[in-house]
Amino acid sequence: GENVEQHPSTLSVQEGDSAVIKCTYSDSASNYFPWYKQELGKGPQLIIDIRSNVGEKKDQRIAVTLNKTAKHFSLHITETQPEDSAVYFCAALHSGTYKYIFGTGTRLKVLA
Amino acid sequence: DTGVSQDPRHKITKRGQNVTFRCDPISEHNRLYWYRQTLGQGPEFLTYFQNEAQLEKSRLLSDRFSAERPKGSFSTLEIQRTEQGDSAMYLCASSLAGHEQFFGPGTRLTVL
Repeated sequence: GENVEQHPSTLSVQEGDSAVIKCTYSDSASNYFPWYKQELGKGPQLIIDIRSNVGEKKDQRIAVTLNKTAKHFSLHITETQPEDSAVYFCAALHSGTYKYIFGTGTRLKVLA
Repeated sequence: DTGVSQDPRHKITKRGQNVTFRCDPISEHNRLYWYRQTLGQGPEFLTYFQNEAQLEKSRLLSDRFSAERPKGSFSTLEIQRTEQGDSAMYLCASSLAGHEQFFGPGTRLTVL
């Protein structure tokens, strides 16, 4: 079935360094890829998204890249801050439906 | 606050009891989704509504689960004869015309 693989499962970086989280999807017809940040005890919060007709999108310190041929997409966070510490999930919109297929999450810890 | 709201936030029940959760989507959002999230995993799709019509159900949604959205506004998710395996965070999300889904804070269910 459709799945999204996400790596790494945990990531620790020093404050000010960059963090990269990678996802691979299986459904070649997927056309929308959101990223969510989830803090303890809260629901996922949409932080950035990308559509299949775009290769890269940036919003301040956050960027997402998409390689449709390889079915890879990545989240890049620059100049990390302690408040970036959370669990990050990638997702792919399953073609022909409105349901997301989520990755298994990356726990990011930014060390002050 | 005009975000997605869910009630209750926490529910502890004994095995075999029935439970019902409520979700109030963002006003005017016509699509509403239910996901389930277990510890250390990404959210898994359960079902979604467009207005009052339930358009898709996951195989995860056994006969003990039922969801309704009677007037196309709030939705309820009922679990009958709860089992310990039902313990999870139940997330609701809503969206308008685009693909962006906005999540609520979730209802954490513990079945003893």
